[in-house]
Amino acid sequence: QVQLQESGPGLVKPSGTLSLTCGVSGDSISSSRWWSWVRQPPGKGLEWIGEIYHSGNTNYNPSLKSRLTISVDKSKNQFSLKLSSVTAADTAVYYCARDLLFYSDYWGQGTLVTVSS
Amino acid sequence: QSALTQPASVSGSPGQSITISCTGTSSDVGNYNYVSWYQQRPGKAPKLMIYDVSKRPSGLSNRFSGSKSDNTASLTISGLQAEDEADYYCCSYTSTSTRYVFGTGTKVTVL
Repeated sequence: QVQLQESGPGLVKPSGTLSLTCGVSGDSISSSRWWSWVRQPPGKGLEWIGEIYHSGNTNYNPSLKSRLTISVDKSKNQFSLKLSSVTAADTAVYYCARDLLFYSDYWGQGTLVTVSS
Repeated sequence: QSALTQPASVSGSPGQSITISCTGTSSDVGNYNYVSWYQQRPGKAPKLMIYDVSKRPSGLSNRFSGSKSDNTASLTISGLQAEDEADYYCCSYTSTSTRYVFGTGTKVTVL
Protein backbone atom coordinates (compact mmCIF):
# COMPACT_ATOMS: atom_id res chain seq x y z
CA GLN A 1 0.00 0.00 0.00
CA VAL A 2 1.36 3.40 -0.98
CA GLN A 3 1.74 5.84 1.89
CA LEU A 4 2.97 9.42 2.00
CA GLN A 5 3.87 11.32 5.15
CA GLU A 6 4.62 15.02 5.45
CA SER A 7 7.05 16.25 8.08
CA GLY A 8 8.51 19.58 9.10
CA PRO A 9 8.12 22.53 11.48
CA GLY A 10 4.56 23.55 12.28
CA LEU A 11 5.53 27.15 12.97
CA VAL A 12 7.59 29.45 10.77
CA LYS A 13 8.40 33.10 11.35
CA PRO A 14 7.39 35.73 8.81
CA SER A 15 10.07 36.27 6.15
CA GLY A 16 11.51 32.86 6.98
CA THR A 17 11.60 29.70 4.88
CA LEU A 18 9.00 26.96 5.11
CA SER A 19 10.57 23.52 4.65
CA LEU A 20 8.65 20.26 4.39
CA THR A 21 9.55 16.72 3.44
CA CYS A 22 7.30 13.99 2.11
CA GLY A 23 8.41 10.45 2.85
CA VAL A 24 7.13 7.79 0.46
CA SER A 25 6.60 4.10 1.22
CA GLY A 26 5.10 1.38 -0.93
CA ASP A 27 6.41 2.95 -4.15
CA SER A 28 9.73 4.16 -5.46
CA ILE A 29 10.29 7.87 -5.90
CA SER A 30 12.14 6.84 -9.08
CA SER A 31 9.07 5.26 -10.65
CA SER A 32 7.38 6.89 -13.64
CA ARG A 33 5.29 9.30 -11.64
CA TRP A 34 5.14 12.93 -10.73
CA TRP A 35 5.09 13.88 -7.05
CA SER A 36 3.22 16.99 -6.04
CA TRP A 37 2.43 19.48 -3.30
CA VAL A 38 -1.00 21.02 -2.65
CA ARG A 39 -1.98 23.42 0.12
CA GLN A 40 -5.21 24.50 1.79
CA PRO A 41 -5.49 27.67 3.91
CA PRO A 42 -7.74 27.23 6.95
CA GLY A 43 -11.37 27.17 5.85
CA LYS A 44 -10.49 27.65 2.18
CA GLY A 45 -10.03 25.61 -0.97
CA LEU A 46 -7.18 23.61 -2.45
CA GLU A 47 -4.28 25.24 -4.29
CA TRP A 48 -1.82 23.39 -6.50
CA ILE A 49 1.75 24.30 -5.54
CA GLY A 50 3.96 22.29 -7.85
CA GLU A 51 5.35 18.89 -8.81
CA ILE A 52 8.59 17.05 -9.45
CA TYR A 53 9.70 14.01 -11.46
CA HIS A 54 12.48 11.75 -10.23
CA SER A 55 14.75 13.20 -12.90
CA GLY A 56 14.45 16.54 -11.14
CA ASN A 57 12.14 18.13 -13.69
CA THR A 58 9.71 20.47 -11.97
CA ASN A 59 6.57 22.45 -12.66
CA TYR A 60 5.60 25.29 -10.32
CA ASN A 61 2.53 27.42 -9.74
CA PRO A 62 3.55 30.77 -11.29
CA SER A 63 2.15 32.62 -8.28
CA LEU A 64 4.73 30.89 -6.04
CA LYS A 65 7.54 30.21 -8.50
CA SER A 66 9.87 33.00 -7.36
CA ARG A 67 9.86 31.66 -3.79
CA LEU A 68 9.52 27.93 -4.39
CA THR A 69 11.93 25.01 -4.66
CA ILE A 70 10.85 21.37 -4.91
CA SER A 71 13.55 18.72 -4.83
CA VAL A 72 13.83 14.94 -4.70
CA ASP A 73 16.12 12.67 -2.66
CA LYS A 74 16.15 9.24 -4.27
CA SER A 75 18.40 7.74 -1.59
CA LYS A 76 15.79 8.50 1.05
CA ASN A 77 12.76 7.94 -1.20
CA GLN A 78 11.40 11.37 -0.40
CA PHE A 79 10.79 14.76 -1.92
CA SER A 80 10.81 18.21 -0.36
CA LEU A 81 9.35 21.68 -0.57
CA LYS A 82 10.99 24.96 0.37
CA LEU A 83 9.03 28.21 0.27
CA SER A 84 10.94 31.36 1.11
CA SER A 85 9.91 34.81 2.33
CA VAL A 86 6.73 33.47 3.88
CA THR A 87 3.88 35.63 5.16
CA ALA A 88 0.67 34.89 7.02
CA ALA A 89 -0.92 34.15 3.64
CA ASP A 90 1.21 31.01 3.44
CA THR A 91 -0.43 29.56 6.55
CA ALA A 92 -2.10 26.38 5.39
CA VAL A 93 -2.32 22.63 5.58
CA TYR A 94 0.28 21.30 3.15
CA TYR A 95 -0.35 17.98 1.42
CA CYS A 96 2.00 15.87 -0.64
CA ALA A 97 0.59 13.50 -3.24
CA ARG A 98 1.50 10.91 -5.86
CA ASP A 99 0.38 11.76 -9.36
CA LEU A 100 -0.64 9.32 -12.06
CA LEU A 101 -0.64 11.24 -15.32
CA PHE A 102 -3.15 13.98 -14.62
CA TYR A 103 -4.57 13.21 -11.19
CA SER A 104 -3.41 12.44 -7.64
CA ASP A 105 -4.26 8.97 -6.40
CA TYR A 106 -2.49 8.89 -3.03
CA TRP A 107 -2.23 11.76 -0.57
CA GLY A 108 -0.42 12.35 2.69
CA GLN A 109 -2.48 13.19 5.76
CA GLY A 110 -1.41 16.84 5.57
CA THR A 111 0.52 19.04 7.96
CA LEU A 112 -0.50 22.46 9.25
CA VAL A 113 2.13 25.16 8.90
CA THR A 114 1.45 28.44 10.66
CA VAL A 115 3.39 31.58 9.80
CA SER A 116 3.57 33.74 12.89
CA SER A 117 6.09 35.54 15.02
CA GLN B 1 -5.33 31.41 -13.59
CA SER B 2 -8.66 31.62 -11.75
CA ALA B 3 -10.13 28.71 -9.85
CA LEU B 4 -12.77 26.62 -11.56
CA THR B 5 -16.29 27.63 -10.50
CA GLN B 6 -18.36 25.29 -8.35
CA PRO B 7 -21.58 25.95 -6.40
CA ALA B 8 -20.81 26.65 -2.76
CA SER B 9 -23.30 24.07 -1.54
CA VAL B 10 -25.58 21.31 -2.76
CA SER B 11 -27.97 19.30 -0.65
CA GLY B 12 -30.24 16.32 -1.04
CA SER B 13 -32.19 13.74 0.89
CA PRO B 14 -31.00 10.17 1.36
CA GLY B 15 -31.58 8.14 -1.78
CA GLN B 16 -31.77 11.15 -4.06
CA SER B 17 -29.30 12.10 -6.78
CA ILE B 18 -27.35 15.34 -6.82
CA THR B 19 -25.05 16.90 -9.38
CA ILE B 20 -22.14 19.25 -8.75
CA SER B 21 -20.98 21.43 -11.62
CA CYS B 22 -17.45 22.63 -12.31
CA THR B 23 -17.11 25.42 -14.87
CA GLY B 24 -13.83 26.35 -16.46
CA THR B 25 -12.64 27.67 -19.80
CA SER B 26 -11.32 26.46 -23.12
CA SER B 27 -7.84 26.52 -21.56
CA ASP B 28 -8.71 23.79 -19.10
CA VAL B 29 -11.99 21.85 -18.77
CA GLY B 30 -13.14 22.62 -22.29
CA ASN B 31 -10.04 21.41 -24.06
CA TYR B 32 -8.78 18.47 -21.97
CA ASN B 33 -10.33 15.27 -20.68
CA TYR B 34 -8.19 15.55 -17.56
CA VAL B 35 -10.79 16.51 -14.96
CA SER B 36 -10.64 14.80 -11.59
CA TRP B 37 -12.87 15.01 -8.53
CA TYR B 38 -11.88 14.73 -4.87
CA GLN B 39 -13.92 14.18 -1.73
CA GLN B 40 -12.65 15.79 1.46
CA ARG B 41 -14.11 15.07 4.84
CA PRO B 42 -13.38 17.50 7.73
CA GLY B 43 -9.79 17.27 8.89
CA LYS B 44 -8.92 14.65 6.28
CA ALA B 45 -6.89 14.57 3.09
CA PRO B 46 -8.67 14.70 -0.27
CA LYS B 47 -9.69 11.35 -1.72
CA LEU B 48 -9.77 10.67 -5.45
CA MET B 49 -13.31 9.90 -6.65
CA ILE B 50 -13.18 10.41 -10.43
CA TYR B 51 -10.33 10.90 -12.92
CA ASP B 52 -10.12 11.58 -16.64
CA VAL B 53 -13.65 13.09 -16.51
CA SER B 54 -15.55 9.85 -15.92
CA LYS B 55 -13.28 7.04 -14.71
CA ARG B 56 -13.65 5.59 -11.22
CA PRO B 57 -10.70 4.29 -9.18
CA SER B 58 -10.83 0.59 -8.45
CA GLY B 59 -13.16 -0.24 -5.59
CA LEU B 60 -15.05 3.04 -5.61
CA SER B 61 -18.83 2.91 -5.48
CA ASN B 62 -20.57 3.22 -8.85
CA ARG B 63 -22.92 5.74 -7.21
CA PHE B 64 -20.32 8.32 -8.22
CA SER B 65 -20.12 9.28 -11.88
CA GLY B 66 -18.55 12.07 -13.90
CA SER B 67 -19.24 13.75 -17.21
CA LYS B 68 -18.31 16.82 -19.22
CA SER B 69 -19.97 19.14 -21.71
CA ASP B 70 -18.07 22.02 -23.27
CA ASN B 71 -16.40 23.99 -20.47
CA THR B 72 -18.38 22.36 -17.64
CA ALA B 73 -17.66 19.10 -15.87
CA SER B 74 -20.11 17.45 -13.50
CA LEU B 75 -20.04 14.97 -10.64
CA THR B 76 -23.23 13.07 -9.93
CA ILE B 77 -23.85 11.19 -6.71
CA SER B 78 -26.79 8.83 -6.94
CA GLY B 79 -28.51 7.09 -4.04
CA LEU B 80 -27.23 9.78 -1.68
CA GLN B 81 -26.04 8.46 1.68
CA ALA B 82 -25.14 10.16 4.96
CA GLU B 83 -21.48 9.17 4.44
CA ASP B 84 -21.40 11.26 1.24
CA GLU B 85 -21.57 14.46 3.30
CA ALA B 86 -18.25 16.21 2.60
CA ASP B 87 -16.58 18.88 0.51
CA TYR B 88 -15.98 18.06 -3.15
CA TYR B 89 -13.36 19.64 -5.38
CA CYS B 90 -12.86 19.36 -9.11
CA CYS B 91 -9.43 19.76 -10.68
CA SER B 92 -8.36 20.19 -14.29
CA TYR B 93 -5.15 20.19 -16.25
CA THR B 94 -4.68 23.59 -17.85
CA SER B 95 -2.63 24.77 -20.79
CA THR B 96 -1.64 27.87 -18.85
CA SER B 97 1.60 27.94 -16.89
CA THR B 98 -0.29 26.95 -13.75
CA ARG B 99 -0.60 23.38 -15.09
CA TYR B 100 -3.39 22.37 -12.67
CA VAL B 101 -6.31 24.35 -11.30
CA PHE B 102 -8.75 23.32 -8.59
CA GLY B 103 -12.39 24.26 -8.27
CA THR B 104 -13.73 26.49 -5.53
CA GLY B 105 -15.22 23.52 -3.70
CA THR B 106 -18.77 22.39 -2.96
CA LYS B 107 -20.16 21.40 0.42
CA VAL B 108 -22.59 18.49 0.09
CA THR B 109 -25.18 18.19 2.82
CA VAL B 110 -27.40 15.16 3.29
CA LEU B 111 -30.70 16.36 4.71
